[in-house]
Amino acid sequence: GAGVSQSPSNKVTEKGKDVELRCDPISGHTALYWYRQSLGQGLEFLIYFQGNSAPDKSGLPSDRFSAERTGGSVSTLTIQRTQQEDSAVYLCASSSTTRLGSYEQYFGPGTRLTVT
Amino acid sequence: AQSVTQLGSHVSVSEGALVLLRCNYSSSVPPYLFWYVQYPNQGLQLLLKYTTGATLVKGINGFEAEFKKSETSFHLTKPSAHMSDAAEYFCAVRFSGGYNKLIFGAGTRLAVHP
Repeated sequence: GAGVSQSPSNKVTEKGKDVELRCDPISGHTALYWYRQSLGQGLEFLIYFQGNSAPDKSGLPSDRFSAERTGGSVSTLTIQRTQQEDSAVYLCASSSTTRLGSYEQYFGPGTRLTVT
Repeated sequence: AQSVTQLGSHVSVSEGALVLLRCNYSSSVPPYLFWYVQYPNQGLQLLLKYTTGATLVKGINGFEAEFKKSETSFHLTKPSAHMSDAAEYFCAVRFSGGYNKLIFGAGTRLAVHP
């Protein structure tokens, strides 16, 4: 079946502009995660969705970052007033959750964001 | 604080040699443990996982890892390296009580030379 997809694959934006990154999880996966991968910080957790709610937003680095998920499926990560330090690869992952706990996370190919 | 440590940011082995990539975590409660591999310009692919049960787990591409509670370790091994194993490897931990987020190690870049 189809894996996690993300769009766009690459995004170049000017400092101060807003950007939206999209994630389509694996069909039926109730849990969705956003991570950021950068040279200086490695792989960092940003936010976790269970269905449409986000019980863990602890990784969002500032209030310029927000995310939503609709219909228990697609998620959008929005970065307002982008800064150069926002340049990174943004990875989305999804997993299936049962009463026994979450299974492994499956990752998308990422969106490479470059802020000039 | 909960953390994941991968010893060695770069490891180089000869083709056919043993691969050993080290991962230690800080927690008194056994967590769930994962190894992921990342090839250039690609996302992360799950190699193997430990949740409960047998402490020696086998994954794809001939890799395996052993969970050692007393050493808080989850080292990744492969008996014989192939050129195609050259990639970056990440150890990831899902600590108990922390929802479902993964905490990643800094990664180890594996080079395989003829």
